[in-house]
Amino acid sequence: QITLKESGPTLVKPTQTLTLTCTFSGFSLSTSGVGVGWIRQPPGKALEWLALIYWDDDKRYRPSLKSRLTITKDSSKNQVVLTMTNMDPVDTATYYCAHRLGGLRGVISRGFDYWGQGTLVTVSS
Amino acid sequence: SYGLTQPPSVSVSPGQTARITCSGEALSDQYAYWYQQKPGQAPVVVIYRDSERPSGIPERFSGSSSGTTVTLTISGVQAEDEADYYCQSSDSSGTYWVFGGRTKLTVL
Repeated sequence: QITLKESGPTLVKPTQTLTLTCTFSGFSLSTSGVGVGWIRQPPGKALEWLALIYWDDDKRYRPSLKSRLTITKDSSKNQVVLTMTNMDPVDTATYYCAHRLGGLRGVISRGFDYWGQGTLVTVSS
Repeated sequence: SYGLTQPPSVSVSPGQTARITCSGEALSDQYAYWYQQKPGQAPVVVIYRDSERPSGIPERFSGSSSGTTVTLTISGVQAEDEADYYCQSSDSSGTYWVFGGRTKLTVL
Protein backbone atom coordinates (compact mmCIF):
# COMPACT_ATOMS: atom_id res chain seq x y z
CA GLN A 1 0.00 0.00 0.00
CA ILE A 2 1.48 3.30 -1.12
CA THR A 3 1.12 6.27 1.22
CA LEU A 4 2.67 9.73 1.27
CA LYS A 5 2.53 12.43 3.90
CA GLU A 6 3.70 16.02 3.81
CA SER A 7 5.17 17.80 6.78
CA GLY A 8 6.55 21.24 7.45
CA PRO A 9 5.65 24.64 8.84
CA THR A 10 2.10 25.90 8.56
CA LEU A 11 3.18 29.54 8.71
CA VAL A 12 6.19 31.26 7.17
CA LYS A 13 7.07 34.91 6.92
CA PRO A 14 7.65 36.72 3.64
CA THR A 15 11.23 36.35 2.32
CA GLN A 16 11.78 33.21 4.40
CA THR A 17 12.65 29.81 2.95
CA LEU A 18 10.06 27.04 3.09
CA THR A 19 11.20 23.47 3.64
CA LEU A 20 8.69 20.68 3.15
CA THR A 21 9.27 16.96 3.65
CA CYS A 22 7.37 14.16 1.97
CA THR A 23 7.65 10.86 3.83
CA PHE A 24 6.40 7.86 1.92
CA SER A 25 5.95 4.12 2.23
CA GLY A 26 5.00 1.27 -0.03
CA PHE A 27 7.59 1.99 -2.70
CA SER A 28 11.26 2.82 -3.02
CA LEU A 29 12.85 5.79 -4.71
CA SER A 30 15.74 3.51 -5.53
CA THR A 31 13.56 1.56 -7.94
CA SER A 32 13.95 2.39 -11.62
CA GLY A 33 11.07 4.41 -13.03
CA VAL A 34 9.85 5.82 -9.73
CA GLY A 35 9.41 9.53 -9.06
CA VAL A 36 7.94 11.85 -6.44
CA GLY A 37 6.56 15.25 -7.30
CA TRP A 38 5.24 18.32 -5.55
CA ILE A 39 2.04 20.08 -6.54
CA ARG A 40 0.42 23.05 -4.84
CA GLN A 41 -3.03 24.56 -4.80
CA PRO A 42 -3.71 28.13 -3.66
CA PRO A 43 -7.02 28.44 -1.80
CA GLY A 44 -9.89 28.20 -4.27
CA LYS A 45 -7.56 27.95 -7.24
CA ALA A 46 -6.16 25.37 -9.62
CA LEU A 47 -3.40 22.82 -9.14
CA GLU A 48 0.15 23.88 -10.02
CA TRP A 49 2.90 21.38 -10.60
CA LEU A 50 6.15 22.50 -8.92
CA ALA A 51 8.88 19.89 -9.10
CA LEU A 52 9.64 16.20 -9.45
CA ILE A 53 12.60 13.95 -8.71
CA TYR A 54 13.18 10.53 -10.23
CA TRP A 55 14.93 7.46 -8.84
CA ASP A 56 18.09 8.38 -10.78
CA ASP A 57 18.19 11.91 -9.28
CA ASP A 58 16.82 13.45 -12.47
CA LYS A 59 15.16 16.68 -11.26
CA ARG A 60 12.49 18.71 -13.00
CA TYR A 61 11.17 22.14 -12.06
CA ARG A 62 8.34 24.45 -12.99
CA PRO A 63 10.09 26.88 -15.34
CA SER A 64 8.66 30.02 -13.73
CA LEU A 65 9.83 28.95 -10.25
CA LYS A 66 13.03 27.14 -11.09
CA SER A 67 15.26 29.73 -9.48
CA ARG A 68 13.45 29.37 -6.15
CA LEU A 69 12.98 25.60 -5.94
CA THR A 70 15.22 22.74 -4.91
CA ILE A 71 14.11 19.13 -4.68
CA THR A 72 16.19 16.40 -3.09
CA LYS A 73 15.70 12.82 -2.01
CA ASP A 74 16.91 10.55 0.76
CA SER A 75 16.06 7.07 -0.46
CA SER A 76 17.29 5.46 2.75
CA LYS A 77 14.77 7.49 4.75
CA ASN A 78 12.02 7.31 2.13
CA GLN A 79 11.84 11.08 2.02
CA VAL A 80 11.75 13.83 -0.55
CA VAL A 81 12.42 17.42 0.46
CA LEU A 82 11.29 20.56 -1.35
CA THR A 83 12.72 23.96 -0.52
CA MET A 84 11.31 27.20 -1.84
CA THR A 85 13.17 30.43 -1.22
CA ASN A 86 11.94 33.99 -0.87
CA MET A 87 8.39 33.09 0.09
CA ASP A 88 5.63 35.57 -0.70
CA PRO A 89 1.96 35.73 0.33
CA VAL A 90 1.01 34.53 -3.18
CA ASP A 91 2.75 31.25 -2.30
CA THR A 92 0.06 30.53 0.28
CA ALA A 93 -1.31 27.16 -0.75
CA THR A 94 -1.88 23.54 0.11
CA TYR A 95 1.24 21.66 -0.89
CA TYR A 96 0.92 18.04 -1.98
CA CYS A 97 3.50 15.40 -2.74
CA ALA A 98 2.60 12.60 -5.12
CA HIS A 99 4.01 9.39 -6.60
CA ARG A 100 4.57 9.04 -10.31
CA LEU A 101 6.12 6.41 -12.55
CA GLY A 102 8.07 7.43 -15.61
CA GLY A 103 11.42 8.63 -16.83
CA LEU A 104 12.32 5.25 -18.24
CA ARG A 105 11.51 3.71 -21.57
CA GLY A 106 8.87 1.07 -21.18
CA VAL A 107 7.53 2.37 -17.89
CA ILE A 108 3.87 3.23 -18.16
CA SER A 109 2.95 6.33 -16.22
CA ARG A 110 -0.49 6.45 -14.67
CA GLY A 111 -0.04 10.10 -13.81
CA PHE A 112 0.31 11.29 -10.25
CA ASP A 113 -1.40 8.19 -8.97
CA TYR A 114 -0.91 8.43 -5.23
CA TRP A 115 -1.14 11.69 -3.28
CA GLY A 116 -0.52 12.82 0.24
CA GLN A 117 -3.24 14.58 2.18
CA GLY A 118 -1.62 17.95 1.60
CA THR A 119 -0.36 20.56 4.02
CA LEU A 120 -1.55 24.16 4.09
CA VAL A 121 1.24 26.71 4.17
CA THR A 122 0.35 30.32 4.89
CA VAL A 123 2.77 33.12 4.11
CA SER A 124 2.16 36.11 6.31
CA SER A 125 4.07 38.49 8.51
CA SER B 1 5.38 28.90 -20.74
CA TYR B 2 3.15 26.07 -21.92
CA GLY B 3 -0.41 25.83 -20.66
CA LEU B 4 -3.60 23.78 -20.96
CA THR B 5 -7.02 25.34 -21.44
CA GLN B 6 -10.21 23.97 -19.91
CA PRO B 7 -13.70 25.48 -19.66
CA PRO B 8 -14.31 26.90 -16.18
CA SER B 9 -17.59 25.08 -15.72
CA VAL B 10 -19.83 22.38 -17.14
CA SER B 11 -23.36 21.67 -15.95
CA VAL B 12 -25.45 18.59 -16.65
CA SER B 13 -28.51 16.87 -15.26
CA PRO B 14 -28.23 13.44 -13.67
CA GLY B 15 -28.11 10.68 -16.25
CA GLN B 16 -26.85 12.96 -19.00
CA THR B 17 -23.39 12.95 -20.55
CA ALA B 18 -20.79 15.48 -19.49
CA ARG B 19 -17.87 16.35 -21.74
CA ILE B 20 -14.92 18.35 -20.52
CA THR B 21 -12.33 19.46 -23.04
CA CYS B 22 -8.69 20.37 -22.61
CA SER B 23 -6.60 21.97 -25.31
CA GLY B 24 -2.88 22.45 -25.62
CA GLU B 25 -0.35 22.54 -28.43
CA ALA B 26 1.63 19.57 -27.17
CA LEU B 27 -1.33 17.28 -26.61
CA SER B 28 -0.79 15.79 -30.04
CA ASP B 29 2.63 14.58 -28.81
CA GLN B 30 2.16 13.99 -25.10
CA TYR B 31 -0.32 11.95 -23.12
CA ALA B 32 -3.04 13.57 -21.06
CA TYR B 33 -4.23 12.62 -17.61
CA TRP B 34 -7.47 13.57 -15.88
CA TYR B 35 -7.98 14.12 -12.18
CA GLN B 36 -11.11 14.47 -10.08
CA GLN B 37 -10.94 16.55 -6.92
CA LYS B 38 -13.71 16.84 -4.38
CA PRO B 39 -13.73 19.55 -1.70
CA GLY B 40 -11.13 19.03 0.97
CA GLN B 41 -9.64 16.00 -0.75
CA ALA B 42 -6.53 15.27 -2.78
CA PRO B 43 -6.99 14.73 -6.52
CA VAL B 44 -7.63 11.24 -7.90
CA VAL B 45 -6.63 10.04 -11.36
CA VAL B 46 -9.68 9.03 -13.38
CA ILE B 47 -8.01 8.70 -16.82
CA TYR B 48 -4.36 8.18 -17.75
CA ARG B 49 -2.56 8.08 -21.09
CA ASP B 50 -5.48 9.81 -22.83
CA SER B 51 -8.00 7.01 -22.51
CA GLU B 52 -6.94 4.41 -19.95
CA ARG B 53 -9.05 3.99 -16.85
CA PRO B 54 -7.40 3.01 -13.54
CA SER B 55 -8.84 0.13 -11.62
CA GLY B 56 -11.63 1.22 -9.35
CA ILE B 57 -12.77 4.07 -11.58
CA PRO B 58 -16.31 3.57 -12.88
CA GLU B 59 -16.76 2.68 -16.54
CA ARG B 60 -18.80 5.82 -17.10
CA PHE B 61 -15.51 7.74 -17.16
CA SER B 62 -13.74 7.70 -20.52
CA GLY B 63 -11.16 9.76 -22.33
CA SER B 64 -10.35 10.53 -25.93
CA SER B 65 -7.84 12.53 -27.91
CA SER B 66 -7.98 14.33 -31.22
CA GLY B 67 -5.11 16.50 -32.32
CA THR B 68 -4.42 19.14 -29.72
CA THR B 69 -7.61 18.52 -27.74
CA VAL B 70 -8.42 15.81 -25.27
CA THR B 71 -11.85 15.13 -23.82
CA LEU B 72 -13.06 13.59 -20.60
CA THR B 73 -16.52 12.08 -21.00
CA ILE B 74 -18.71 11.06 -18.10
CA SER B 75 -21.68 9.04 -19.31
CA GLY B 76 -24.75 8.77 -17.13
CA VAL B 77 -23.55 11.44 -14.70
CA GLN B 78 -24.34 10.84 -11.06
CA ALA B 79 -24.59 13.32 -8.24
CA GLU B 80 -21.34 11.96 -6.78
CA ASP B 81 -19.49 13.06 -9.91
CA GLU B 82 -19.90 16.71 -8.96
CA ALA B 83 -16.32 17.87 -8.47
CA ASP B 84 -13.47 19.83 -9.98
CA TYR B 85 -11.70 18.17 -12.90
CA TYR B 86 -8.18 18.86 -14.12
CA CYS B 87 -6.32 17.75 -17.19
CA GLN B 88 -2.56 17.33 -16.92
CA SER B 89 0.14 16.78 -19.46
CA SER B 90 3.70 17.82 -20.25
CA ASP B 91 5.45 20.17 -22.62
CA SER B 92 6.35 18.90 -26.06
CA SER B 93 9.73 17.59 -24.93
CA GLY B 94 8.37 15.94 -21.79
CA THR B 95 10.56 18.12 -19.60
CA TYR B 96 7.98 19.49 -17.20
CA TRP B 97 4.34 19.00 -16.29
CA VAL B 98 1.35 21.31 -16.36
CA PHE B 99 -2.22 21.22 -15.13
CA GLY B 100 -5.19 22.76 -16.80
CA GLY B 101 -7.10 25.54 -15.16
CA ARG B 102 -9.88 23.43 -13.57
CA THR B 103 -13.40 22.67 -14.69
CA LYS B 104 -16.14 22.64 -12.11
CA LEU B 105 -18.72 19.99 -12.94
CA THR B 106 -22.14 20.79 -11.53
CA VAL B 107 -24.82 18.14 -11.46
CA LEU B 108 -28.13 19.98 -11.63
